[in-house]
Amino acid sequence: AQSVSQHNHHVILSEAASLELGCNYSYGGTVNLFWYVQYPGQHLQLLLKYFSGDPLVKGIKGFEAEFIKSKFSFNLRKPSVQWSDTAEYFCAVISPNNQGGKLIFGQGTELSVKP
Amino acid sequence: GAVVSQHPSRVICKSGTSVKIECRSLDFQATTMFWYRQFPKQSLMLMATSNEGSKATYEQGVEKDKFLINHASLTLSTLTVTSAHPEDSSFYICSVAGGTDTQYFGPGTRLTVL
Repeated sequence: AQSVSQHNHHVILSEAASLELGCNYSYGGTVNLFWYVQYPGQHLQLLLKYFSGDPLVKGIKGFEAEFIKSKFSFNLRKPSVQWSDTAEYFCAVISPNNQGGKLIFGQGTELSVKP
Repeated sequence: GAVVSQHPSRVICKSGTSVKIECRSLDFQATTMFWYRQFPKQSLMLMATSNEGSKATYEQGVEKDKFLINHASLTLSTLTVTSAHPEDSSFYICSVAGGTDTQYFGPGTRLTVL
C-alpha cells in the first residue's frame, strides 16, 4: 500500500537555524507531492506542491522542497527559521492511481522554534 | 483558494447521542469534499470522500452506518456521528477538492464524547 514517511517526529531549532524535514513515499509511479502546515489552533494550509517540471519547488514564507525521484523523497527546507514557523508540518502524496484525488498524509513533524 | 468553514468548532456530548458536523465551502462550488479524522499527535486519516448528489465513498475500516455523510449541495457536506462513544472523540476535518489535486481544509471540529 502507498505510504508516506516523515522521519522526524519533533524538531526543535533556534531562530535563524536552517531547517530540513524529511519525507519519503513508497509509491513507484508518478506522484503529486505536497507539504501542508498547521499552525497552532489553525487549519491546514498548503505550503507548496510538486506536480512536474523543476524538481526544486518554492513555496510560501521562504519554504522550498526538492523532489528526488531516485530517492522517493520530497524534503522540505528553509534556510533560516523564525519563531512564527512553529507548527506541525505534513507531507502528502496523491498518485494517478489513487482514485478521486485522495491525499495520503505522513505522520507529521512538529517544529518548535525557540526565540 | 477556497474558504472552508466548519461548525461547530468544538462539541461535547454524552455517550450514545448523535452529533452533526457541517462543512461549508464559502466561495467555491465543491463537487467533492473529504472528511478526515486526526488523533492527537498523529496524521490525518481519510474517512470518506463525499460527492455532491451521490453516496459517499468510505475508506476501509470506517463504518458507514456510524459516520453518516450527506453532501446535498455544492456548498455543504455534513458528517453525523451516530451513537457516539468516547473512542469517537477526535478532531474531524473536512476539505474541499479544488482544481489540480489541491485540497482546501476547514478549521476542524473537536468532538469530545463523555
